[in-house]
Amino acid sequence: GAGVSQSPRYKVAKRGQDVALRCDPISGHVSLFWYQQALGQGPEFLTYFQNEAQLDKSGLPSDRFFAERPEGSVSTLKIQRTQQEDSAVYLCASSLPPTGVNSPLHFGNGTRLTVT
Amino acid sequence: AQKVTQAQTEISVVEKEDVTLDCVYETRDTTYYLFWYKQPPSGELVFLIRRNSFDEQNEISGRYSWNFQKSTSSFNFTITASQVVDSAVYFCALSGYNNNDMRFGAGTRLTVKP
Repeated sequence: GAGVSQSPRYKVAKRGQDVALRCDPISGHVSLFWYQQALGQGPEFLTYFQNEAQLDKSGLPSDRFFAERPEGSVSTLKIQRTQQEDSAVYLCASSLPPTGVNSPLHFGNGTRLTVT
Repeated sequence: AQKVTQAQTEISVVEKEDVTLDCVYETRDTTYYLFWYKQPPSGELVFLIRRNSFDEQNEISGRYSWNFQKSTSSFNFTITASQVVDSAVYFCALSGYNNNDMRFGAGTRLTVKP
């Protein structure tokens, strides 16, 4: 399809497990963003990539969160030693222009992570 | 600091009613962008509109219209003759020149009953 694709759609992890969430942006989109959306809240910024470079990771809540985009297309958000407060929907978004040029973001359906 | 406030947590209307979703923002930037996104039950955030801070013209797109008032720092969204398919959570968002400082409001859940 032509949209942003995220997998898995749902993930249940036991506390302490590591998880990896995948985002496949729209082909050719330079900018990629990860957001965390807690229940009943708006999305909160986590991190931003321009191609393979992670230009802003100020929103990552702890050093247990790690994101990468090694070839400038697919991105993975990894959460180590998951905790219950990590339960949320993780949204990926992409846009064509690089930073400095504001444009609408195209969002995926998200991955709903539940930590038990 | 940038902040977006959507004071209405939930709104319920009957089909064909008009409904306005409120959005108030705070920013110190002179150049900024305002957005509305729709989040249906499927979870995907769907882009509806973007306005920049220099363009206060109101916009109409079909049943949707937006009222941008810099004097009151508001960017309200009106749906005319609402339909059941309009049921979703609607988010207002604010960003500066760069996308990576985009801030979302908490969202307004709109339920349109038949």
